[in-house]
Amino acid sequence: GAVVSQHPSWVICKSGTSVKIECRSLDFQATTMFWYRQFPKQSLMLMATSNEGSKATYEQGVEKDKFLINHASLTLSTLTVTSAHPEDSSFYICSASRFRSTDTQYFGPGTRLTVL
Amino acid sequence: RKEVEQDPGPFNVPEGATVAFNCTYSNSASQSFFWYRQDCRKEPKLLMSVYSSGNEDGRFTAQLNRASQYISLLIRDSKLSDSATYLCVVNKPLVGATNKLIFGTGTLLAVQP
Repeated sequence: GAVVSQHPSWVICKSGTSVKIECRSLDFQATTMFWYRQFPKQSLMLMATSNEGSKATYEQGVEKDKFLINHASLTLSTLTVTSAHPEDSSFYICSASRFRSTDTQYFGPGTRLTVL
Repeated sequence: RKEVEQDPGPFNVPEGATVAFNCTYSNSASQSFFWYRQDCRKEPKLLMSVYSSGNEDGRFTAQLNRASQYISLLIRDSKLSDSATYLCVVNKPLVGATNKLIFGTGTLLAVQP
C-alpha cells in the first residue's frame, strides 16, 4: 500500500511554455502533499506544502505565481511550472502523507524536467 | 550552518565491509529522524526510521544521540546492491503548520566487487 504516482516521468519543453505535473496517491487518501525539487548533486529542497482544499504554503524563495499548485482532491495534486526557463530544469518529486500531523511521507517516482 | 549535515563521500568500500555514515542536525526540537536511500535518478525510499534507543533492521543499524544532535547508520556485510546515496532526514516541527522534512545532501556509497 501507500503508492504514489507521478506523470509524466520526464518532459522536455521549450523555454516559455508551461508544464503540468500530476501527483496521485493510488491507494490512500492524502491529506497533505509536498512538492520538492532536486538539482544535480544537491539535496531535495521543499518547494511547497499543500493540504487538500487549502492554498499551498510555499517555502521562502519559491515563486507562487511561477509554480502553481492545486490540491483539489485527496488523491491528486498538480504542479504547473509556468513560463519555464532552462534554470527550471530539475527533478521534481512529490510526496504524500495521510495526515497533517504525521512525518511519514510516501514519495512519487519523480518527474525530470528539461527546458531547452 | 545547514539544518542537516552529512559527509558527501563518496565512500568506496569492498563487498563485505562495514561502513558507517554520520549526520548532524541543528534543530533541537526535531523529534523524527530517518534514513532514506536514493538510487541514481530515482526518488528517495525510506530505509528506516531512527529511534532514541537505536534500532536494527537486518544488516542496518541506526543510532540517535539527542544530546549531540547526531545520527548514524551502520551497514554490515555490504552488498553491491547497497550502492546508493544515503540521505539523513530530520523533521522540522512547526507550530500550527504541517511538519516539514529536511533532507541532508546525502552520502554516496559505492560498494566494489
